[in-house]
Amino acid sequence: AQTVTQSQPEMSVQEAETVTLSCTYDTSESDYYLFWYKQPPSRQMILVIRQEAYKQQNATENRFSVNFQKAAKSFSLKISDSQLGDAAMYFCAYRTINDMRFGAGTRLTVKP
Amino acid sequence: EPEVTQTPSHQVTQMGQEVILRCVPISNHLYFYWYRQILGQKVEFLVSFYNNEISEKSEIFDDQFSVERPDGSNFTLKIRSTKLEDSAMYFCASSEVPLGSLYTEAFFGQGTRLTVV
Repeated sequence: AQTVTQSQPEMSVQEAETVTLSCTYDTSESDYYLFWYKQPPSRQMILVIRQEAYKQQNATENRFSVNFQKAAKSFSLKISDSQLGDAAMYFCAYRTINDMRFGAGTRLTVKP
Repeated sequence: EPEVTQTPSHQVTQMGQEVILRCVPISNHLYFYWYRQILGQKVEFLVSFYNNEISEKSEIFDDQFSVERPDGSNFTLKIRSTKLEDSAMYFCASSEVPLGSLYTEAFFGQGTRLTVV
C-alpha cells in the first residue's frame, strides 16, 4: 500500500517569512498525482496545490510552490510571505485512480 | 461553484445504533470517497466507489461499514453498530472521471462530526 509521511507534526513561521513543509511518499506506481490540502479550524479540506508525477516542472500557485523530487519521492510545500490566514493543518496526499492517501499532517502556526 | 454537501453536520448516536451519513457529490463526478479523521489525527482513507461498486477499501472499512449510491445524487456511508471509537469527522469527496492519465483532485465536503456516546 502507498504511504505518505509528513515528518513535521508542527511548524511555526513568522508572518511574511517563508516556511517549507516536508512530505515523502512510497509507491511502486509510475503515474500518480500529489496534492497539498489545507484544513483550517473550520475543518473543511481545501486544495492548495497539485503536482502531476509526469511533469518535471514544479507547480506554483501564487505564494505556494512545491519542490517535487520524483526519484527521491519527495514533495515539499513552500509558503512564501506567510500570512496569518495560512495557519492551519496541512496534509500531503498521494492519488491514483482508485486511491488517495494522506499524510499525518503538519500544524502550521503563523506568528504576527 | 459546485460543491460536495454532507448532512448532517453533526450526529450524536448511542453505541450500538446504526447511523447513515449522507453526501451529495458534485453532479458530473463519478468517483466517490469516504475518509475519517479522528479528532486531531490524520485523515484516513475508508473506501472509494466507482460504477456502483467499491473500487478499494482500507483495513478500517470492515463489515460494520457499507456504502451505497441509492439514487443518482446521494452517496451514503452506513455504520451498522457504532462503537465509541467510531467517533470522528467523516469526509465525503468526489472527483471527475479521469481523462487518460489526467487525474483531478478530489473535492471534499465539510464533513459530518459523528459522536458515539
